[in-house]
Amino acid sequence: DQQVKQNSPSLSVQEGRISILNCDYTNSMFDYFLWYKKYPAEGPTFLISISSIKDKNEDGRFTVFLNKSAKHLSLHIVPSQPGDSAVYFCAASARWNYGGSQGNLIFGKGTKLSVKP
Amino acid sequence: EAQVTQNPRYLITVTGKKLTVTCSQNMNHEYMSWYRQDPGLGLRQIYYSMNVEVTDKGDVPEGYKVSRKEKRNFPLILESPSPNQTSLYFCASSLGARETQYFGPGTRLLVL
Repeated sequence: DQQVKQNSPSLSVQEGRISILNCDYTNSMFDYFLWYKKYPAEGPTFLISISSIKDKNEDGRFTVFLNKSAKHLSLHIVPSQPGDSAVYFCAASARWNYGGSQGNLIFGKGTKLSVKP
Repeated sequence: EAQVTQNPRYLITVTGKKLTVTCSQNMNHEYMSWYRQDPGLGLRQIYYSMNVEVTDKGDVPEGYKVSRKEKRNFPLILESPSPNQTSLYFCASSLGARETQYFGPGTRLLVL
């Protein structure tokens, strides 16, 4: 059963506009969420994170919103740039021992973002 | 430069021929992990290690082994590779399981 879901495999956005990437989770024990970005032929790199005690975290053009009641988070990129074209992975972690893998990150399947000039 | 290195980057092998993918980090991280990335499945954890001599299974450990004899190294061993282990493999390290993970560049494995 997939605990972290990214239901949109791909997203295409015009340069300068807003990109919104969505992520849903099923496990209410998750309390820490991260976004990673991955370019082809490279490993994923950390982008931004949010703890469940917050509902928003901002870093430059990147903002992550967390809606705990809906078990939903989203990553907003404003304005989008062609260099943002990559696969974005949402990941979640639970503080306490869960399924024998305490604290380990559970990743979604990723969303491929294409920003067109 | 702080980094996670993996070798080899690309590997073609045949079914049943034992292989090892090395992973090394120079950040003195305690936590290390192996993932595989497959189309439509995202990143799935194979094994992880909380510290030296402490390893545990992730979500998809079947067919893999690991060891953590030193803090910096975390090799992934495929004793008898099979075609369903054809995948893109990533090693990662962090200060702890819930800390930001730093990923290696990936190893693309093809098992014929």
